[in-house]
Amino acid sequence: DTGVSQDPRHKITKRGQNVTFRCDPISEHNRLYWYRQTLGQGPEFLTYFQNEAQLEKSRLLSDRFSAERPKGSFSTLEIQRTEQGDSAMYLCASSPEYWNQPQHFGDGTRLSIL
Amino acid sequence: SQQGEEDPQALSIQEGENATMNCSYKTSINNLQWYRQNSGRGLVHLILIRSNEREKHSGRLRVTLDTSKKSSSLLITASRAADTASYFCATDEHNQGGKLIFGQGTELSVKP
Repeated sequence: DTGVSQDPRHKITKRGQNVTFRCDPISEHNRLYWYRQTLGQGPEFLTYFQNEAQLEKSRLLSDRFSAERPKGSFSTLEIQRTEQGDSAMYLCASSPEYWNQPQHFGDGTRLSIL
Repeated sequence: SQQGEEDPQALSIQEGENATMNCSYKTSINNLQWYRQNSGRGLVHLILIRSNEREKHSGRLRVTLDTSKKSSSLLITASRAADTASYFCATDEHNQGGKLIFGQGTELSVKP
């Protein structure tokens, strides 16, 4: 399977805990995107990388959110001191660098905060 | 924030009928893309239409784009029960690095 892989698929945690999600993009894709999706809504952009460079992070929801892509391959999204409102589906997508290319999405990590 | 709106929010049809979904957006775009999402899963890319294109076909799917009205439509012909899913339009805006801005989606139900 050469699609986008996300781990874990589901994460249940208590309020105040830290969580980290991993995304493995399609291997030849330079760009990697993180989105958040709440129930009944479309995905909302959070941040993106071109290779290892994080080119936009202004849409990360607060300073509790951070993302890395240290070697330009897989990426991690961390949420510190989780809150009830962080419950959502976190989606990762990748694409080639060139113009007008579709993004390929993983199946997401569903986060539930108790 | 969402780029625009999709209409209708929900659509229920019988197998074999056609389904039309509409999307409006607000800014200049490089392209507009349509995705499908089954419950609890990620998004599957359907069609990408560039800003200089007006119509595109892929199998039973037909997409139109009117940049003067900032709107697009997705037509699914001869629908099947397996087409039941949520459908989202997403815009790739100028000078935004390819990030997508999604609408709220249309929930399509196709009854056998």
